[in-house]
Amino acid sequence: EIVLTQSPDTLSLSPGERATVSCRASQSVSSSFLAWYQQKPGQAPRLLIFGVSSRATGIPDRFSGSGSGTDFTLTISRLEPEDFAVYYCQQYINSPVTFGQGTKLEIK
Amino acid sequence: EVQLVQSGAEVKKPGEALKISCKGSPYSFTNYWIAWVRQVPGKGLEWVGIIYPGDSDTRYSPSFQGHVTISADKSIDTAYLEWSSLKASDSGIFYCARRNSGFFPLDYWGQGTLVTVSS
Repeated sequence: EIVLTQSPDTLSLSPGERATVSCRASQSVSSSFLAWYQQKPGQAPRLLIFGVSSRATGIPDRFSGSGSGTDFTLTISRLEPEDFAVYYCQQYINSPVTFGQGTKLEIK
Repeated sequence: EVQLVQSGAEVKKPGEALKISCKGSPYSFTNYWIAWVRQVPGKGLEWVGIIYPGDSDTRYSPSFQGHVTISADKSIDTAYLEWSSLKASDSGIFYCARRNSGFFPLDYWGQGTLVTVSS
């Protein structure tokens, strides 16, 4: 099983700032089958990024993903008030599919 | 727009049986996988398993294998997650989500079903 470890657990920033969330895999995620999801309180997760760097439909271009192998990054270029949420990475190439533990992005 | 509508919250006692549902519309239900994901409130996401309604091919996470059953009725575009004997540790929010065939992420999610198991 591929273990995904996100850092930090909590990120405190202000609107307008840049956010960077890291996801490290215990083994290489082949063919870059890594995704990012956003979850707000009381809501289901929403797909943001797939294939490491492709934005899902309707996702603003301030969200971007990068990385390869075992190290991946989600970047939000300029935080909007609606971006404060929990973010999860997910690998979907190895069985079982696994998620990172989540990173809470909170308003400073 | 694609919707996955799940059944309502459940409160059960240990040892009871339960079956929750997830109905997909308006897309070709038999051509996409339906996954189930658990979330203990305030915690992260856990993969339960996945089913392809077209032929009922089903895969389980080792953590859930043998304790839950995933099924689907393609005649009514509905997938199910079932327990024969609940434990308190089965409590959580269960989401269904759609996945395209092949290696794809979960692109649409249901609203979640809260399952509470308590004596």
